[in-house]
Amino acid sequence: KNEVEQSPQNLTAQEGEFITINCSYSVGISALHWLQQHPGGGIVSLFMLSSGKKKHGRLIATINIQEKHSSLHITASHPRDSAVYICAVHSGGGADGLTFGKGTHLIIQP
Amino acid sequence: NAGVTQTPKFRILKIGQSMTLQCTQDMNHNYMYWYRQDPGMGLKLIYYSVGAGITDKGEVPNGYNVSRSTTEDFPLRLELAAPSQTSVYFCASSYFPTEAFFGQGTRLTVV
Repeated sequence: KNEVEQSPQNLTAQEGEFITINCSYSVGISALHWLQQHPGGGIVSLFMLSSGKKKHGRLIATINIQEKHSSLHITASHPRDSAVYICAVHSGGGADGLTFGKGTHLIIQP
Repeated sequence: NAGVTQTPKFRILKIGQSMTLQCTQDMNHNYMYWYRQDPGMGLKLIYYSVGAGITDKGEVPNGYNVSRSTTEDFPLRLELAAPSQTSVYFCASSYFPTEAFFGQGTRLTVV
């Protein structure tokens, strides 16, 4: 069973700061997802990665398959980025869902 | 496109009652999933389906049942509700293994 660990669990930063959230997993994967969850809200997919790097606006996600590690970066952070960021992985080729980390609770103060 | 629609958004059940959480997607996705999210824990898979007529257990299936009679619908049934089933429930769908789409969640309290 894949174990997914995220760090930090909680992060408070000032508006404009560069943010990094880390995710490590224990077993080889077919894909890794970064998800965003606002308080009381649903879950939105930000990225799906199987290698390399992806960028969308101020968000950048990278993955190192050999080291079993991924990072989510937020540049020029803004209070509206405050949310829980969740890392999740597909292990193997089956369709039996995702294995999730516990999430990183991010607060960006103005 | 509505995406993934879950109903209800909130529900309070008494111990021993039953209910069905509804989930509908309009993206013609073959894969659908039910997860539960408990405070301080990662989401856990309850049941999943790879197509109409096919369902399988996930990590925490006890106390739940599902059916998949159509591609669009994947209801989750709680029989004999227990306090341990107090949680937030999310339905998701995808063209595996692409991006997953999640519903808005159902916050269930069993008292």
